[in-house]
Amino acid sequence: GDSVTQMEGPVTLSEEAFLTINCTYTATGYPSLFWYVQYPGEGLQLLLKATKADDKGSNKGFEATYRKETTSFHLEKGSVQVSDSAVYFCALVGQAGTALIFGKGTTLSVSS
Amino acid sequence: DTEVTQTPKHLVMGMTNKKSLKCEQHMGHRAMYWYKQKAKKPPELMFVYSYEKLSINESVPSRFSPECPNSSLLNLHLHALQPEDSALYLCASSQEGSSSYNSPLHFGNGTRLTVT
Repeated sequence: GDSVTQMEGPVTLSEEAFLTINCTYTATGYPSLFWYVQYPGEGLQLLLKATKADDKGSNKGFEATYRKETTSFHLEKGSVQVSDSAVYFCALVGQAGTALIFGKGTTLSVSS
Repeated sequence: DTEVTQTPKHLVMGMTNKKSLKCEQHMGHRAMYWYKQKAKKPPELMFVYSYEKLSINESVPSRFSPECPNSSLLNLHLHALQPEDSALYLCASSQEGSSSYNSPLHFGNGTRLTVT
């Protein structure tokens, strides 16, 4: 079945460092891909999405490109801030429109 | 501010209690969801309502009983819970009848449930 694999955390960075969180997926056809973020004590917020190959989703300085050839959707940000400290979930919806499938989540901790 | 409102934010209940979690959205979304999230884990889907009808029940124990009184409201009735049911319960909604790339999920901030 469809699945999402994220890099293990926690990821600890200094402010203004470059961030990459790896995400790969297994799915038939052309799933839609998402990154959700969960700040402490809150629910999940949609960070960005991509619906077809080579699409780039972007929001709040974060970017991720849908790579069909490597089945990847890595999250990047050029300069992280303390306020970016959160748990990041990669997720997909299969082409048949099935329920959202989450990766295990990656905790990001940014220090000043 | 989230557009999906959940109440209460925190709930402590004994194993013999009956309580309800409430969720409300006014975005005109036609699908609503209950998820359970344990600490440091991704959310696990429990129930999906599509156009006010239960469309998915992920083999959830009967001590959890969902209800969708109308397209804006979703309840989760709790009875005879176990300590292992302690978790963050998240409500979500989406525009269409199923989660899709045209209809991402909007989550509430959740109810932190503790069963004693």
